[in-house]
Amino acid sequence: QKEVEQNSGPLSVPEGAIASLNCTYSDRGSQSFFWYRQYSGKSPELIMFIYSNGDKEDGRFTAQLNKASQYVSLLIRDSQPSDSATYLCAVSDNTDKLIFGTGTRLQVFP
Amino acid sequence: DGGITQSPKYLFRKEGQNVTLSCEQNLNHDAMYWYRQDPGQGLRLIYYSQIVNDFQKGDIAEGYSVSREKKESFPLTVTSAQKNPTAFYLCASSIGTITDTQYFGPGTRLTVL
Repeated sequence: QKEVEQNSGPLSVPEGAIASLNCTYSDRGSQSFFWYRQYSGKSPELIMFIYSNGDKEDGRFTAQLNKASQYVSLLIRDSQPSDSATYLCAVSDNTDKLIFGTGTRLQVFP
Repeated sequence: DGGITQSPKYLFRKEGQNVTLSCEQNLNHDAMYWYRQDPGQGLRLIYYSQIVNDFQKGDIAEGYSVSREKKESFPLTVTSAQKNPTAFYLCASSIGTITDTQYFGPGTRLTVL
């Protein structure tokens, strides 16, 4: 069974620090990788997607993909208290469904 | 305003009742999905539809039914056969295939009394 693993946390970082969130996946054929942010009681909202090995930057967010090691990570620079949320990693291949991890809870303290 | 709407936001069901959750999108997306989220668990796919009048079972379809009569609408019925329906239900849509970026509605929280 295809799996996506995330540390449930909480990951606690001080305001202004870099938060590093990691995700590993089992299916070597996976092609598309997504990071969603979910505030408590709300629905997931897309932060970034990445398809190719390497880094992809968007503002304070950087997604990193390493297909050989089967992991994808999300870095949040200059973390703010408003970044406190659960971050969901989702992975798909071209013939199957989008598989979600259980999420990592991030806490950014002032 | 383009987006995905779900109603109601909160829904209470008595045991033995069927209830229908609404999902509408005006993004002109072909594909729509229903997920269920339980505390401490990832999103689990219930049903999905990639075209009008066609839909497929996801990983946990038992006790649920859907229809896709219009491109904009993908209602989910939670039947009395679903043994543990209390959960947060999320509808999503994407442009085409299931591997395209999925965008989520605000969700419906269903509680069985």
